[in-house]
Amino acid sequence: SQTIHQWPATLVQPVGSPLSLECTVEGTSNPNLYWYRQAAGRGLQLLFYSVGIGQISSEVPQNLSASRPQDRQFILSSKKLLLSDSGFYLCAWSVYPQRGGDTQYFGPGTRLTVL
Amino acid sequence: GENVGLHLPTLSVQEGDNSIINCAYSNSASDYFIWYKQESGKGPQFIIDIRSNMDKRQGQRVTVLLNKTVKHLSLQIAATQPGDSAVYFCAEAKSGSARQLTFGSGTQLTVLP
Repeated sequence: SQTIHQWPATLVQPVGSPLSLECTVEGTSNPNLYWYRQAAGRGLQLLFYSVGIGQISSEVPQNLSASRPQDRQFILSSKKLLLSDSGFYLCAWSVYPQRGGDTQYFGPGTRLTVL
Repeated sequence: GENVGLHLPTLSVQEGDNSIINCAYSNSASDYFIWYKQESGKGPQFIIDIRSNMDKRQGQRVTVLLNKTVKHLSLQIAATQPGDSAVYFCAEAKSGSARQLTFGSGTQLTVLP
């Protein structure tokens, strides 16, 4: 079965510091990978998605970036965090298009607080 | 943007009653719909999905209804239990699009003892 991991689970960082959040998927190959941000009491905002190694699509212009160095690894980064970067960051994966489904399966999330 | 800036609507039901959570979707080209459950501090969990060639699909204690005419989706939970308390999101997609899951704003379901 497939599993998705995210770390760290929680993170407190000062404004202006760098960021690196990691997501890995097990039990599948060539997944689509996604980064979402969720503000408290809000819905999900898609930040980046990737259909393959080195292929990144950005949905929202911001000071965040994403990379996919390996098939099942997705990294969210920032060189300098802003207060507005605080939130709950979720990684998700899906299988496309071979199995015809578009369901995205989410990881446990990383709670980021920027002070 | 996708449902940013919106506070969650809430639904309170008595334990044992049935719950109905509604969702209006926006894209008439969407042909795949999903319901997710998100407990506090956790990632969303897949509940049930439905494709546009169906108007009803049942799972264990859950039923999803799709009305394409008015672009409306609902999730029915039978015999609601305390463990059902969570935020429920609907999502719509156009099959074959790698990026496209558009999420609704979510509904906070609270089960009262």
